[in-house]
Amino acid sequence: DAGVIQSPRHEVTEMGQEVTLRCKPISGHDYLFWYRQTMMRGLELLIYFNNNVPIDDSGMPEDRFSAKMPNASFSTLKIQPSEPRDSAVYFCASSLQGHTEAFFGQGTRLTVV
Amino acid sequence: GENVEQHPSTLSVQEGDSAVIKCTYSDSASNYFPWYKQELGKRPQLIIDIRSNVGEKKDQRIAVTLNKTAKHFSLHITETQPEDSAVYFCASAGGGNKLTFGTGTQLKVEL
Repeated sequence: DAGVIQSPRHEVTEMGQEVTLRCKPISGHDYLFWYRQTMMRGLELLIYFNNNVPIDDSGMPEDRFSAKMPNASFSTLKIQPSEPRDSAVYFCASSLQGHTEAFFGQGTRLTVV
Repeated sequence: GENVEQHPSTLSVQEGDSAVIKCTYSDSASNYFPWYKQELGKRPQLIIDIRSNVGEKKDQRIAVTLNKTAKHFSLHITETQPEDSAVYFCASAGGGNKLTFGTGTQLKVEL
């Protein structure tokens, strides 16, 4: 398995634009997590899914952020409209029920100018 | 919800010395405590973990200890090497798979 795959690796966008980050979890994993990493806040959990259903989205900073998981092999995190303070590295991770180790993707470095 | 505190935020040691990073957690139901290592520009990767039914686990130069009564756990790295330089994160999980991470420790091993 190629592991958790995220795209794009880097994204530079202008303030106000819509940004969509994509994630393909490890095949067979039934948990998917979206994290945001910044120097100030470390690794923050934004939202996580179990069997494609959002379980906890309390970490989503505001209504500009939304996440979907239409099927077991794909998830998106969307920011609309984007702001400079959204600049961060966004990680997707997946894990298997009963095996708590989370496997991280390579991350998407987002820069909003 | 769970709160994980991690100390120190930065740690500098001489090559060959030991390094210790400490974490505390708040949820007494937490039963899984992993440690992740993140090298510059890369993803966090699991290096060792411990479950609540044991007090210590060791893997070569790395060991983790857990004190459930005090709700704290620690990472110990012995005989540190330059390649140990990275950011280390502790985390905890309860009955489900949700991990709550500490704020990270920047470890620098100096020659």
